[in-house]
Amino acid sequence: GAVVSQHPSWVICKSGTSVKIECRSLDFQATTMFWYRQFPKQSLMLMATSNEGSKATYEQGVEKDKFLINHASLTLSTLTVTSAHPEDSSFYICSARVGPSSGYTFGSGTRLTVV
Amino acid sequence: GQSLEQPSEVTAVEGAIVQINCTYQTSGFYGLSWYQQHDGGAPTFLSYNALDGLEETGRFSSFLSRSDSYGYLLLQELQMKDSASYFCATNGGATNKLIFGTGTLLAVQP
Repeated sequence: GAVVSQHPSWVICKSGTSVKIECRSLDFQATTMFWYRQFPKQSLMLMATSNEGSKATYEQGVEKDKFLINHASLTLSTLTVTSAHPEDSSFYICSARVGPSSGYTFGSGTRLTVV
Repeated sequence: GQSLEQPSEVTAVEGAIVQINCTYQTSGFYGLSWYQQHDGGAPTFLSYNALDGLEETGRFSSFLSRSDSYGYLLLQELQMKDSASYFCATNGGATNKLIFGTGTLLAVQP
């Protein structure tokens, strides 16, 4: 089946630094990837849509200068959290659509802790 | 906009049947999906309803009524490993954005 590989699984960084999260589609080409954020005991909130070869589309309220998204190839999308602060600590997860009745496949997620 | 509401928690015993409801309000509707997420893990796809009616996949079934803007996930023969969060979700049509419901935490007790 379609697999999305996400790295790192967890990261601890100091406040003010930047963190890059990578998502790779291993056995299919993903022209579009979706990035979500999930706080404890809450639902997944869509942050942005990553489009190969073009600018990402951000959801309302998401700072595009803080959450930089790059989708340089059909198999790789990256999310960079810039100047991270403790309130950015969360579970970040990417996704790609596999098919109309096959649903979406997700990366394994990245647990970010900013100290 | 889109909103999908679910009960926050449901508790059931092993071997029982449980139903998790989802009511939605969307500007456009392109089907209802269900995902399971264990604590700390990624969501996994369970079921999808594009049209009204019941879809059955093993112990899991999903139902949709578009006229009522309502769907549910039915889990039969509950097992301890079914303890997880369950989310309904709908995609945004041409944008393919998947929007999740508020989520239901299912606790299966022995």
